[in-house]
Amino acid sequence: QQPVQSPQAVILREGEDAVINCSSSKALYSVHWYRQKHGEAPVFLMILLKGGEQKGHEKISASFNEKKQQSSLYLTASQLSYSGTYFCGTVSNDYKLSFGAGTTVTVRA
Amino acid sequence: NAGVTQTPKFRVLKTGQSMTLLCAQDMNHEYMYWYRQDPGMGLRLIHYSVGEGTTAKGEVPDGYNVSRLKKQNFLLGLESAAPSQTSVYFCASSSTRTGYEQYFGPGTRLTVT
Repeated sequence: QQPVQSPQAVILREGEDAVINCSSSKALYSVHWYRQKHGEAPVFLMILLKGGEQKGHEKISASFNEKKQQSSLYLTASQLSYSGTYFCGTVSNDYKLSFGAGTTVTVRA
Repeated sequence: NAGVTQTPKFRVLKTGQSMTLLCAQDMNHEYMYWYRQDPGMGLRLIHYSVGEGTTAKGEVPDGYNVSRLKKQNFLLGLESAAPSQTSVYFCASSSTRTGYEQYFGPGTRLTVT
C-alpha cells in the first residue's frame, strides 16, 4: 500500500522553508526520500532507518517517527534548485519500496 | 561508469504489439527493479530481481514479464501492449534490498495507441 504524502504541491519564494509529510499504515523498516526534476530520473536524497538518526543533505533534512509510521522532509532556506517533485518511499516487512504520489515543490525568485 | 542505462528512450506501439525494454547497470548491483510512473500515481513497482536468474512480482505485474539472464541486465517485456500500459518506465538498481539507495535509469516513454 502506497504511503500518503502531503501537501500535494507547495510554492515557495527563495529563502522560505517547507515541510513535506509522509505517512504509512504499516510498521516501517526504513523511509527513503527522492527528488525528481521534470523529465529526469528520480535522484536519491537520503534514507532513514528504524532506530537511526535524523539525516541531512545540504539544507534538506528529514526525521522518522517510527511509532507514528511517519517521516517529514524539511526544506530550509529554499533555493531555486530545490524545485522538483519529492517522493517518499517506505519499506515495511515485505522489504519492497513503495512510493508516495509525490509533492511538487516550486521555488520562485 | 555509465550507471543505469535504458533502451530505448521513446517508443510508440500499436495495441497488441510486443516489445522489450532493456536495462543495464555497470555497478555490479545485485538488485534490479522496473517501475512505471503515471501522473499523480508516483512510481509503482512492476517486477524486481534479487540476483541473476531470479525475478519476483511487484505491485502491478499484470501484462509484463521480465528476465535476468545476466547480472548486469534486466529485461521488461510487453507481450501484447494495451493503451493502459502507456507510461514512463524506469529501471533502478541497488546493492542491497532496503538499506541503500536505488539508482535510476533515465526512463523510457512508451505510448500505446
